[in-house]
Amino acid sequence: AQRVTQPEKLLSVFKGAPVELKCNYSYSGSPELFWYVQYSRQRLQLLLRHISRESIKGFTADLNKGETSFHLKKPFAQEEDSAMYYCALSRYGNKLVFGAGTILRVKS
Amino acid sequence: EAGVAQSPRYKIIEKRQSVAFWCNPISGHATLYWYQQILGQGPKLLIQFQNNGVVDDSQLPKDRFSAERLKGVDSTLKIQPAKLEDSAVYLCASQNWTGTYEQYFGPGTRLTVT
Repeated sequence: AQRVTQPEKLLSVFKGAPVELKCNYSYSGSPELFWYVQYSRQRLQLLLRHISRESIKGFTADLNKGETSFHLKKPFAQEEDSAMYYCALSRYGNKLVFGAGTILRVKS
Repeated sequence: EAGVAQSPRYKIIEKRQSVAFWCNPISGHATLYWYQQILGQGPKLLIQFQNNGVVDDSQLPKDRFSAERLKGVDSTLKIQPAKLEDSAVYLCASQNWTGTYEQYFGPGTRLTVT
């Protein structure tokens, strides 16, 4: 069965501190992994995907197939990073299976 | 480009009533998804369309939910009769198969069943 687990409902950090949002998945095969973000009063949008191996807004995520993890990291948090973050997986780019999400709060 | 449009944005109904939601995807996007997001959970797929054909409706409660995309563009999702547990945000997303796999989401419709 496909499943995505985000163990933290809320992560609260101070501005300038490092951030790591955890994501673990279960899937038989090679899924595509994504991070989606929802800022206050905005729609859900793609932040980054593992196949592109890019850094978006200072965030990076590395797919660890051995640990079946896809943690999202940023070395220095900013207040504008405060949002709800969802980890999701897909097979062949089809339906997304989402985790429950983690609220990131960056305090000044 | 214009984003995915959904209406209404909010709807309050009593249990056993019926309700319909509308979605207009981004122009040219062949794939359309409906997701249900219950409070405190991530979105869960209800149905996936490719043009006007159903690709995946395995998680759609077909005894009360129905969806259509007759001309391969707009889509409607209907619930009849509604139950209390249908209270959720209903998200529509569209996708263009250009190799990016990105899904573009609408603002959602928040349904409250009393």
